Amino acid sequence: GENVEQHPSTLSVQEGDSAVIKCTYSDSASNYFPWYKQELGKGPQLIIDIRSNVGEKKDQRIAVTLNKTAKHFSLHITETQPEDSAVYFCAARVFSKLTFGTGTRLQVTL
Amino acid sequence: DTGVSQDPRHKITKRGQNVTFRCDPISEHNRLYWYRQTLGQGPEFLTYFQNEAQLEKSRLLSDRFSAERPKGSFSTLEIQRTEQGDSAMYLCASSLNGGADTQYFGPGTRLTVL
Repeated sequence: GENVEQHPSTLSVQEGDSAVIKCTYSDSASNYFPWYKQELGKGPQLIIDIRSNVGEKKDQRIAVTLNKTAKHFSLHITETQPEDSAVYFCAARVFSKLTFGTGTRLQVTL
Repeated sequence: DTGVSQDPRHKITKRGQNVTFRCDPISEHNRLYWYRQTLGQGPEFLTYFQNEAQLEKSRLLSDRFSAERPKGSFSTLEIQRTEQGDSAMYLCASSLNGGADTQYFGPGTRLTVL
């Protein structure tokens, strides 16, 4: 089955700096890659997604890149703010099932 | 539309008891998913429905677990004879097949088995 690895597990940045989270996947049949943000005690919230026919997608301060050949994709957050502090999960989808990475705890310090 | 809702939000039970959770998907979403999330891990797929049909079940879903979606709207997840290892957050998500099929998650039900 699909296996998704995510790095780093924790990331601390100063407010205003950029944050980058990287994921790799194993199944070349995966065709959809969402990113979720999860705050304490809440369910995952979709923040951005990318499909396998697209190499890059941007939404304001958030961007995602996909390299299908290398089977890796990354989340980029620019101009980080304290409210960006949360756990971020990448995922890969084969057919209908999402396989998640183990998460990155992002802390944005003042 | 208020999004995916789950009930209860928290459940504490003793080992050996049965528990049932409910999920109400976003209206008109025909797909509904159950995931389990343990502390420090990402959600793990358990099962999903398209309308009332259960199309896939993970090997994580032991015989003590059963899920239903009788009318293609809300779903229930029942765990029989709970064990301490069942303690986790149980997440429900829904999507609209035929569109982007993006999965939107509910707030989860946190189960603690004593």
